[in-house]
Amino acid sequence: DVKVTQSSRYLVKRTGEKVFLECVQDMDHENMFWYRQDPGLGLRLIYFSYDVKMKEKGDIPEGYSVSREKKERFSLILESASTNQTSMYLCASFSTSNTEAFFGQGTRLTVV
Amino acid sequence: DQQVKQNSPSLSVQEGRISILNCDYTNSMFDYFLWYKKYPAEGPTFLISISSIKDKNEDGRFTVFLNKSAKHLSLHIVPSQPGDSAVYFCAASAGGNEKLTFGTGTRLTIIP
Repeated sequence: DVKVTQSSRYLVKRTGEKVFLECVQDMDHENMFWYRQDPGLGLRLIYFSYDVKMKEKGDIPEGYSVSREKKERFSLILESASTNQTSMYLCASFSTSNTEAFFGQGTRLTVV
Repeated sequence: DQQVKQNSPSLSVQEGRISILNCDYTNSMFDYFLWYKKYPAEGPTFLISISSIKDKNEDGRFTVFLNKSAKHLSLHIVPSQPGDSAVYFCAASAGGNEKLTFGTGTRLTIIP
């Protein structure tokens, strides 16, 4: 059974804190993605990675960075959390040979 | 610029009847389309996909239709069941680029 695991289901952080969201997949997929979901806006792509140490900006990268030191792990970093980063964050992965993306269960982040 | 649009934020359908969810896109480079279903506090799960070389794909109660000239696709669910109540996202990708662009979602409610 394929698995994409996000380290936390719920997080509450203070404004200005540095926040790490971790995602691990066990399918040996090359591609990993971070999206955020907000009401009325759907899923918006923050960053993605095609390979280890590779990263590409998505549609809304401002205020975020990422790290991919190992193939199975893709981390999203909020350098200085702000209240407008309160959202549901979703990690996804898929292989080059199959465009079906598998998603983690999501992390509901609240910045106070 | 919203390249994938779902113009109906919500839809209510009687149990047993057909549910039709619509999606429009503007990018003519998109050649692969997917539908995802999302329950609250969970990650999206893959439902069905279609390549631009086809105009229809069926999987059980789910059928996706693609009209390339109109840049429109639709998801038909028949018969609708209470467990189908969820938010449905359509997504698209272009030319082997695995980046998925999502629509804003349609919340489907099945009325018993």
